[in-house]
Amino acid sequence: QKEVEQNSGPLSVPEGAIASLNCTYSDRGSQSFFWYRQYSGKSPELIMFIYSNGDKEDGRFTAQLNKASQYVSLLIRDSQPSDSATYLCAVIQAGKSTFGDGTTLTVKP
Amino acid sequence: EAQVTQNPRYLITVTGKKLTVTCSQNMNHEYMSWYRQDPGLGLRQIYYSMNVEVTDKGDVPEGYKVSRKEKRNFPLILESPSPNQTSLYFCASSLVKGTSGTRGQYFGPGTRLTVT
Repeated sequence: QKEVEQNSGPLSVPEGAIASLNCTYSDRGSQSFFWYRQYSGKSPELIMFIYSNGDKEDGRFTAQLNKASQYVSLLIRDSQPSDSATYLCAVIQAGKSTFGDGTTLTVKP
Repeated sequence: EAQVTQNPRYLITVTGKKLTVTCSQNMNHEYMSWYRQDPGLGLRQIYYSMNVEVTDKGDVPEGYKVSRKEKRNFPLILESPSPNQTSLYFCASSLVKGTSGTRGQYFGPGTRLTVT
């Protein structure tokens, strides 16, 4: 079992829809949880981080964390074609960082 | 401009020829880390550093060395590169939260290394 697992994708949604990206992790000691976006040929860029159970909203993005279920998700509201990218889930425990393989999202105009 | 810089951006070398990839950040971040990204294997951590003079192994440290003598710099050294180290390498930095967490990493532009 991989330490961080994401929906294999690809995920395709129409413009304006909600995109839902999911991630599960195996280490219950994980402390911090992150979502990154990576455009093809570019470096990952931080979208959001979340430390506590519940929801965290930032503009069109909402991260949800459920430590009991070892689950973290990212919702993108009003998806735009510019949101088309690979989304990486990452967890950190004592400095050791583990990334999921990513979910590729395509937003169709 | 706040940034993480890496040099060189592209490098083609031969097996066994020692090389260093530099990484520097201007954000006064305590945490720095090196990753390699390979198709089908995702982003994997090589080494990380929580602060000056403190380094730890990630998931794939074999064949790599690092040092953290200054807060802003975190070079990656390949003493004897081999073809299986051909990859895209990213350096990243972050503020440290509390005793061991981070606030999200900022990545450099990447170094594409080819070892023949």
